[in-house]
Amino acid sequence: AQSVTQPDIHITVSEGASLELRCNYSYGATPYLFWYVQSPGQGLQLLLKYFSGDTLVQGIKGFEAEFKRSQSSFNLRKPSVHWSDAAEYFCAVGASVTTGNQFYFGTGTSLTVIP
Amino acid sequence: GAGVSQSPRYKVTKRGQDVALRCDPISGHVSLYWYRQALGQGPEFLTYFNYEAQQDKSGLPNDRFSAERPEGSISTLTIQRTEQRDSAMYRCASTLLNRGAEAFFGQGTRLTVV
Repeated sequence: AQSVTQPDIHITVSEGASLELRCNYSYGATPYLFWYVQSPGQGLQLLLKYFSGDTLVQGIKGFEAEFKRSQSSFNLRKPSVHWSDAAEYFCAVGASVTTGNQFYFGTGTSLTVIP
Repeated sequence: GAGVSQSPRYKVTKRGQDVALRCDPISGHVSLYWYRQALGQGPEFLTYFNYEAQQDKSGLPNDRFSAERPEGSISTLTIQRTEQRDSAMYRCASTLLNRGAEAFFGQGTRLTVV
């Protein structure tokens, strides 16, 4: 069965510190992987995506993620966190011939940024 | 419009009433998805359409939930005889007809059943 696990429910980091949000997936085929951010009162915004090719993908707002097939992981990173990065972050795996075009989401990681 | 539009943004209804939630996808996006997001959880799949055809409704929790997309554009998610447990954020997303395409999400409809 397809699933996404985000082990950290909540993370607190200091502004300027580095950030890594973990995501592990279970998927029967080649995964299409995404990170979305949800700011308060906003919809889900795509940060970055991985379909194939280079396993290190760059996204918006200075985020990057690395696909590691051997670890079934797609962790999100940012070298220096800004206060405006405080939000809920969702990892998702999507779409295959066998499962239709569903997207499976993790339960999210809430990020707090302290001055 | 430029993005996925959902209406209403907020809906408060009494238990037992029917509600209809609307989604207007991005122009040209033929795949449309409905998700439900409970507080503190990630979005959970309900159903999706390619054009006007409902492809998968396995995520609909029971027969009180239904969805349609009669002309392959705007979609309506209907919940009959609402219950308090139906309270959640209902999100709509649309994509191109392409396996693995990214989904663009609307801002959602916050449904509260009292």
